[in-house]
Formats: sequence, structure tokens, C-alpha cells
Amino acid sequence: GIQVEQSPPDLILQEGANSTLRCNFSDSVNNLQWFHQNPWGQLINLFYIPSGTKQNGRLSATTVATERYSLLYISSSQTTDSGVYFCAVIEYGNKLVFGAGTILRVKS
Amino acid sequence: DAGVTQSPTHLIKTRGQHVTLRCSPISGHKSVSWYQQVLGQGPQFIFQYYEKEERGRGNFPDRFSARQFPNYSSELNVNALLLGDSALYLCASSLEVSGRPEQYFGPGTRLTVT
Repeated sequence: GIQVEQSPPDLILQEGANSTLRCNFSDSVNNLQWFHQNPWGQLINLFYIPSGTKQNGRLSATTVATERYSLLYISSSQTTDSGVYFCAVIEYGNKLVFGAGTILRVKS
Repeated sequence: DAGVTQSPTHLIKTRGQHVTLRCSPISGHKSVSWYQQVLGQGPQFIFQYYEKEERGRGNFPDRFSARQFPNYSSELNVNALLLGDSALYLCASSLEVSGRPEQYFGPGTRLTVT
């Protein structure tokens, strides 16, 4: 099956800093989602981004499907951005395959 | 509009017991999927149901089963619980299985097996 790798595994930022999270996948995909998991375990949808670039406030994402990677940009980070960020690709049907996640800690 | 709801939020069971977890999808969504997330890992796919039919099954033993009801809600059943079944169980719903299959997750049920 498809493999999803995320980097870095851990990231510590000072409030106000910018960051880039990367997601590599092993095979062609038609669909990709980014999630933020808060401390209570809830997975919050950030982007549905099979290709191209999208922006939502301080967050933006870019997927280059032909090169099998996606990037999540966080600008002017805030303490509330802390948590785990997952990318997931949709394998045959509707099955999401998740990466191991990036743990982000934003310090004030 | 209400999001995906799951019940119960927390559950403590003993080895060998049976558990039933429940999920209600977003109104209008016909597909429900179940995922297991153990501590420190990403969620792992267990089942997908669409229009009350099983559309996919992950690499989980037969102790795990699920079903979808006519109102598109779903149950996940786990028999003969093992300590290793302790995890966060997540339910996700989507409008369809093709086209734009974006999935939306519920808050999860945290299962502890002692």
C-alpha cells in the first residue's frame, strides 16, 4: 500500500515564527488532506488539497502531486497552533492513509 | 449544522469483554469510516461503510465488526477485548466515496482495556 512520511517529527517554535511541514507519499494520489489534532484528540480539517495551493488565514498548503509531496505553511505561529499535524492521502475507495504526524510546540 | 458525533466519549473495559461504539455522521453524509489511533501514531483504517454496505476493511482481526443503519449512523463492535485494543477510536463521515471524498472526524471515543 501507499506510504506517507512526514517531516520533521517534532518542531518547537517561538510564538510569531513561521514553519513548513512536509508530507511525502510513495505513489500517485488524487486526494490529500491536512489535519490538526488538538490536545483532546479531535482531528480538525485544515485543507483538502489534491493539487495546487490553498490559503486559510495564517495557514496555507501546496500539493505537487506529480512530485509526490505536500507542504503546510504556518505563519506568525500562536500557542494555539500547538498539537499534532497529520497529512493523509486517500487510497482506493475512501480509505485515508495517515503519516506519523509532526508534533508542533509553540512557546510564548 | 452538527458535526460528526460519537458516544461514549470515554470507556473502561476489562479484558475479554465486548464493547460497542456509536457514530452519527454529518447530516446528508452517506459514508462512515472507523479508525483506531494508538498513542504516538497516526490513525489506522478499520472499516468503511457506504449506503449500509461495507466498502473497505483494514488489517484488523475478526473480533472487530461494524454496521451502518438506514439513517447512516454506525456502530463499531469489538469482542474479546485485549489490552492492545486500548486506543482512541475515531469515526469519520464523507458525502460520497468518489468525486470529493473529504472526510470529517468526530471527537473520538477513548477506550481503556484493563
